Amino acid sequence: DVKVTQSSRYLVKRTGEKVFLECVQDMDHENMFWYRQDPGLGLRLIYFSYDVKMKEKGDIPEGYSVSREKKERFSLILESASTNQTSMYLCASDPGRMLNYGYTFGSGTRLTVV
Amino acid sequence: AQKVTQAQTEISVVEKEDVTLDCVYETRDTTYYLFWYKQPPSGELVFLIRRNSFDEQNEISGRYSWNFQKSTSSFNFTITASQVVDSAVYFCALSEALGFNKFYFGSGTKLNVKP
Repeated sequence: DVKVTQSSRYLVKRTGEKVFLECVQDMDHENMFWYRQDPGLGLRLIYFSYDVKMKEKGDIPEGYSVSREKKERFSLILESASTNQTSMYLCASDPGRMLNYGYTFGSGTRLTVV
Repeated sequence: AQKVTQAQTEISVVEKEDVTLDCVYETRDTTYYLFWYKQPPSGELVFLIRRNSFDEQNEISGRYSWNFQKSTSSFNFTITASQVVDSAVYFCALSEALGFNKFYFGSGTKLNVKP
């Protein structure tokens, strides 16, 4: 069974901390994505990556950065966490290669910044 | 610009009722994909259906059916004889056909099915 695994289900961090959210997929997918989910706003794209070391900004990249050193792993970094980054973070992947059969999602990380 | 609107924030029904979740989208692309995902309380989004813009045939899968109408830019989702296990947040999404498969999600509709 294909899997996208997010390292933490719940996370509490202090304002100003540097926060790493990790995502690993075992499907040899080209594309990986980070979304945040907020009530009434749906899912909004933060960053995505279409290959190792390649990244593109999504719709709300401010305050975030990403790293993709290996194909299976895509990390989201909050450089200096703030309370307005309290949210549910969802990682997703898809095969790429001009295929679009929909994302496989991880189970999410609920981050609280205090 | 791509946009997906799910005007129904929350719907409550009693078990065995039929319910329709609305989805309206905007895009200038002629080729695109539409999706529905289910997010149960556990949090993980589960794929339900994918439809490409050239295929306007309605689809039925068990108690689920989808009505795609290009003329009104709508892709509505109906659950027949709802069950408590259908309680979840449902997201409609639009994806580009060319490029990096970016998705544009609606704000979601929370469905409460009461016994």
